[in-house]
Amino acid sequence: DTEVTQTPKHLVMGMTNKKSLKCEQHMGHRAMYWYKQKAKKPPELMFVYSYEKLSINESVPSRFSPECPNSSLLNLHLHALQPEDSALYLCASGSGAGETQYFGPGTRLLVL
Amino acid sequence: GENVEQHPSTLSVQEGDSAVIKCTYSDSASNYFPWYKQELGKRPQLIIDIRSNVGEKKDQRIAVTLNKTAKHFSLHITETQPEDSAVYFCAASWDTGFQKLVFGTGTRLLVSP
Repeated sequence: DTEVTQTPKHLVMGMTNKKSLKCEQHMGHRAMYWYKQKAKKPPELMFVYSYEKLSINESVPSRFSPECPNSSLLNLHLHALQPEDSALYLCASGSGAGETQYFGPGTRLLVL
Repeated sequence: GENVEQHPSTLSVQEGDSAVIKCTYSDSASNYFPWYKQELGKRPQLIIDIRSNVGEKKDQRIAVTLNKTAKHFSLHITETQPEDSAVYFCAASWDTGFQKLVFGTGTRLLVSP
């Protein structure tokens, strides 16, 4: 299996809602990533997990809460988001430094 | 930290022409340079990558060149086809135990039939 999968594909939520994004990979990769991508912009790194431990938090607001239950799964818990958080949220995985990073199809999030 | 500049922001070519996209990076410690293609509404997909111990790499119609001294690398697409139309992102990374990619700003390539 050489794919990263993400659910849901689309999500609409109000500013008071709590929702979660899910990501899964079965390539045995040691690192998993969350990116945020706004229209016509490059992916912007949010979090990095290495060996199931949070290695990087790029100063992301606490309304975004990542979780790595095991080496194949990565979640992003969302709470009290703002309309400006509307974006495509991409998950990626990779073997490590100098290795290819594979992206999932993304979750398109709209915050009303 | 690392900063990657990418030019041009848009590129229009006729089918069959060549296209060249250039990126410049700032951190000499960077040693891995992937290129991603992102079609509208789709995920970024790796099309080619190069490591700092190699000056050039080719895969059919796509090639990447790297000049470590000047700290720039370029994507070359020959015999362009309409299906090459997409946004292309360059990126730079370095050995940290995991891979933190710093992306360029992207180039929108339009190939007209």
